[in-house]
Amino acid sequence: DQQVKQNSPSLSVQEGRISILNCDYTNSMFDYFLWYKKYPAEGPTFLISISSIKDKNEDGRFTVFLNKSAKHLSLHIVPSQPGDSAVYFCAASDGGSEKLVFGKGTKLTVNP
Amino acid sequence: GAVVSQHPSRVICKSGTSVKIECRSLDFQATTMFWYRQFPKQSLMLMATSNEGSKATYEQGVEKDKFLINHASLTLSTLTVTSAHPEDSSFYICSARAEGGIPYEQYFGPGTRLTVT
Repeated sequence: DQQVKQNSPSLSVQEGRISILNCDYTNSMFDYFLWYKKYPAEGPTFLISISSIKDKNEDGRFTVFLNKSAKHLSLHIVPSQPGDSAVYFCAASDGGSEKLVFGKGTKLTVNP
Repeated sequence: GAVVSQHPSRVICKSGTSVKIECRSLDFQATTMFWYRQFPKQSLMLMATSNEGSKATYEQGVEKDKFLINHASLTLSTLTVTSAHPEDSSFYICSARAEGGIPYEQYFGPGTRLTVT
């Protein structure tokens, strides 16, 4: 039973345009969400996070939106750059645990 | 800061042998380290959580006698895959949480690609 779902295995976007990566979760106990970026043969690197008390968090070109009623979050990258091409993982945690539950990832390709 | 290293980055071993993977926090002390496994096109699956000086806590379905974890110091955790089989071939990634750090903030190592022939 997947608690964190990333239904799009891949996404292709033109340089300069917006990339929107989506993530859904089923566990209503999750209260902290993170996005990680991963290049091949490397470990994930932290990108941005959001607490469940917020509905938006912005850091430069990256914005994460959280819709708790829909149990949905999304990562917006604007403008997209070729260097953003990577696999993006959504992860979630509940307040009582330090464990992270990951989605399967979405491979983003930004074309020049 | 917050660099985590893994060694080796890649290992090929014969079926039935054991392999040890090291995870080190280079510039911080890690009270907790996590071991994940990732199969192709799958999510990172948490295998176990290890705390310095105590026994690791394994996730359901992970054989503790097969995947031995030792967290002997605040900067080193090891994962030993014992009697490896081809189905153990995977990408193993460790992460570390800094002492006194935010509970959800984990720093990941670069991973170890294990191939069992």
